[in-house]
Amino acid sequence: NAGVTQTPKFRVLKTGQSMTLLCAQDMNHEYMYWYRQDPGMGLRLIHYSVGEGTTAKGEVPDGYNVSRLKKQNFLLGLESAAPSQTSVYFCASSYSPGQVTGYTFGSGTRLTVV
Amino acid sequence: GQQLNQSPQSMFIQEGEDVSMNCTSSSIFNTWLWYKQDPGEGPVLLIALYKAGELTSNGRLTAQFGITRKDSFLNISASIPSDVGIYFCAGLNYGGSQGNLIFGKGTKLSVKP
Repeated sequence: NAGVTQTPKFRVLKTGQSMTLLCAQDMNHEYMYWYRQDPGMGLRLIHYSVGEGTTAKGEVPDGYNVSRLKKQNFLLGLESAAPSQTSVYFCASSYSPGQVTGYTFGSGTRLTVV
Repeated sequence: GQQLNQSPQSMFIQEGEDVSMNCTSSSIFNTWLWYKQDPGEGPVLLIALYKAGELTSNGRLTAQFGITRKDSFLNISASIPSDVGIYFCAGLNYGGSQGNLIFGKGTKLSVKP
C-alpha cells in the first residue's frame, strides 16, 4: 500500500534555483493538498486541488505554483527559491474535505535553500 | 485567519505518567482532530471528533470536543516510550467544495523510560 508518495525526500537548493516537488497518490482521492511545516508553526496550507485540472490558494501560497494535470499527481513548484522557503513540505490527499478520517499524509520533503 | 492555540509546547514525562494537552480557538470548528507525528514522517490521525461534547477513546488515548466547539483536549494514559513524538490538534470547517485543516503548533512529548 503506497498511499501518498513524495519525491524527493531531501533537497538542497541555492537561492534563485527552481525545482518541482512531486506528490503521487494511488487511492483515487479527489482532493490533494500541499502543506509546509516550520519549527513551532504547525502545518500551513500552501495550495490545494479539488480535482484534476483545478488548483486553489491556501494560507501561504506566495512563491509557489502548483499543477494537477493527472488525478493521481499534484506538483509543487518553486520558480526562484528563497531561504525563507527552507521547510519540510507535506502532501496529503482525501476523498473529500469532510472525510477527515481519509486524510493521508506523505512522509515529507525536507528542503534547504542556501 | 483562524488560529489554534495548543499547549503545552513541550512535555518531559516519566514512563507510566498520564499526559494531557489541549487546543483552543477563537473560532468554532465542525470537527476536531488529533494527529501524531513521528520523526521523519507525516502526521497520522489518532482521533476524530464530530460533535460538541463528544468524548472518544482510542486505546490509551482519550479526546473530547468542547461544548463551545472552540476547544478540545487529548489525554494519554500510562505513557510508554513509543508515545514520543509531536502531537497536533487540527480543526476543520467545511462547506461546499472547500475545506481546510487548521493545525495547532504542536506539543512535543518526550518520555523517559
